[in-house]
Amino acid sequence: QKEVEQDPGPLSVPEGAIVSLNCTYSNSAFQYFMWYRQYSRKGPELLMYTYSSGNKEDGRFTAQVDKSSKYISLFIRDSQPSDSATYLCAMRSQAGTALIFGKGTTLSVSS
Amino acid sequence: DTGVSQNPRHKITKRGQNVTFRCDPISEHNRLYWYRQTLGQGPEFLTYFQNEAQLEKSRLLSDRFSAERPKGSFSTLEIQRTEQGDSAMYLCASSLVAFTSGGRHTQYFGPGTRLTVL
Repeated sequence: QKEVEQDPGPLSVPEGAIVSLNCTYSNSAFQYFMWYRQYSRKGPELLMYTYSSGNKEDGRFTAQVDKSSKYISLFIRDSQPSDSATYLCAMRSQAGTALIFGKGTTLSVSS
Repeated sequence: DTGVSQNPRHKITKRGQNVTFRCDPISEHNRLYWYRQTLGQGPEFLTYFQNEAQLEKSRLLSDRFSAERPKGSFSTLEIQRTEQGDSAMYLCASSLVAFTSGGRHTQYFGPGTRLTVL
């Protein structure tokens, strides 16, 4: 079992839909949780950064962390065609340095 | 542009050749990381530097790979005797780690160098 599991999709939604992206993990030591967005043939771009459990909102994006279930989510409201990209979850422990990534979920938003 | 930069953006080489990539981190970032990403996978950690010291290497970093950060600024990643399995996107990231950050620091990624080994 990989440390971080993420459904690769692809996920296709119409413009304006609410998108839910998820990751599960096995290492209870993970404390820092991130979502990166990666456009084709580009580097990952940080979207959201959450420490420990709880919710964080930034514009149309909401990140949730449930450490008891080892489950993190990213919600995108009012999705736009420009949101079409691969979304990578990443996490690390308090003492760790390396980010452990999921495989990424490919999202396509059609207008 | 003050982000992480990487050169070249694309590199095509023949099996057995040596290649070198360069990464320029965000100014004043003291940590620099190298990751490798293959198609359909998330990035995988290779190694990182704290200033000029290489503090951690992944078991993915075979003896054919070497990384340097000679003056604590830019870094180079060299692959010797390339193999077709080395074809991937090589990503560099940097972060600023301060004693007051309490373990929190954000890694910012560059655009990557795409390597194709024929």
